[in-house]
Amino acid sequence: QKEVEQDPGPLSVPEGAIVSLNCTYSNSAFQYFMWYRQYSRKGPELLMYTYSSGNKEDGRFTAQVDKSSKYISLFIRDSQPSDSATYLCAMSPRNYGQNFVFGPGTRLSVLP
Amino acid sequence: DSGVTQTPKHLITATGQRVTLRCSPRSGDLSVYWYQQSLDQGLQFLIQYYNGEERAKGNILERFSAQQFPDLHSELNLSSLELGDSALYFCASSVDSGRAQGEQFFGPGTRLTVL
Repeated sequence: QKEVEQDPGPLSVPEGAIVSLNCTYSNSAFQYFMWYRQYSRKGPELLMYTYSSGNKEDGRFTAQVDKSSKYISLFIRDSQPSDSATYLCAMSPRNYGQNFVFGPGTRLSVLP
Repeated sequence: DSGVTQTPKHLITATGQRVTLRCSPRSGDLSVYWYQQSLDQGLQFLIQYYNGEERAKGNILERFSAQQFPDLHSELNLSSLELGDSALYFCASSVDSGRAQGEQFFGPGTRLTVL
């Protein structure tokens, strides 16, 4: 079993839809959770950084962490074609000084 | 623009050769992380340097080495290159000190092709 699992997609949705992206993990020591967006052949761009369980909202993006289920989600409201990218989850047991473990990424296509 | 720069953008070389990839972190960031991303492996952590010292090692081959210089820029050296080393190599930087959050900011990457 991989340490972090993520459905690779591709996931195709119509413009304006609510998108739900998910990751599961096996290491209960993970406490810091991140979502990155990566456009084709570009560097990953940090979208959300959260600690422990709960929700965090930033514009159209909401990150949810459920540590009891070892499950994290990223919701994108009013999705746009410009949201078409690969979304990577990442997690770490510490705030810093520790390498992050990345999921394999989910490819999202938002169709106009 | 994340503020992290990487050179070169593209590198094409032959098997058995040696190359050096360069990374300049964001101003004020003390940590540099190196990652390899290939189609079948995803984003794999290679090594981390903090303020000039090696801090953590991941899945880095013995043929690969890195260092961080006093001005905090870092170089990743790849030697005895094999076809399977063809990948995108990313550098990320982070403050990693004080009360800062440990967000890592990624550079644009170097695409290495080994023929």
